Amino acid sequence: DAKTTQPPSMDCAEGRAANLPCNHSTISGNEYVYWYRQIHSQGPQYIIHGLKNNETNEMASLIITEDRKSSTLILPHATLRDTAVYYCIGLDSNYQLIWGAGTKLIIKP
Amino acid sequence: ETGVTQTPRHLVMGMTNKKSLKCEQHLGHNAMYWYKQSAKKPLELMFVYSLEERVENNSVPSRFSPECPNSSHLFLHLHTLQPEDSALYLCASSQEATGGQPQHFGDGTRLSIL
Repeated sequence: DAKTTQPPSMDCAEGRAANLPCNHSTISGNEYVYWYRQIHSQGPQYIIHGLKNNETNEMASLIITEDRKSSTLILPHATLRDTAVYYCIGLDSNYQLIWGAGTKLIIKP
Repeated sequence: ETGVTQTPRHLVMGMTNKKSLKCEQHLGHNAMYWYKQSAKKPLELMFVYSLEERVENNSVPSRFSPECPNSSHLFLHLHTLQPEDSALYLCASSQEATGGQPQHFGDGTRLSIL
């Protein structure tokens, strides 16, 4: 099963780029890494996923190291509404998401 | 996002009550999920349905009984619950029943057992 490790919390100034790290040293070569976030009082929200190439969408960019042991989610211009818990996730043997504790990101004005 | 709607948003019930949680998705997805989110614990997958068939049951106690009458609706029937069952219950849907498909979540039902 894919295991991920994230810092429990981070701060970022409003308007700056928020870089959220994730270690996944046990992930296998064909396993994707998924990112979700959960804003207080809401359900989780899908952000992005990737295998080995960097990915970008309207919400964020995902940078995956060449050895695939770690990745970084980048929110290019963080706003106060980006304050949330961010989850870096792998799949279990049944191809279901394995949720951890995530990183609590606080955007400060 | 209103693609997945859960009702009620809050529910307080005694241990001997019977109640049901409802989830409806308007995204045309084939898979639906129930998750439990307890305080200070990661999300726990409870059930997975694909095309109205249950494909996964993660050792959930029988006091939780899911029902999927069609691909748009999912219920969680509750009876004789315990205080430790107090939690946020989240419903999600995806195009197919694998974690690789982005899952769309409702905002959950906050359940409190007295």
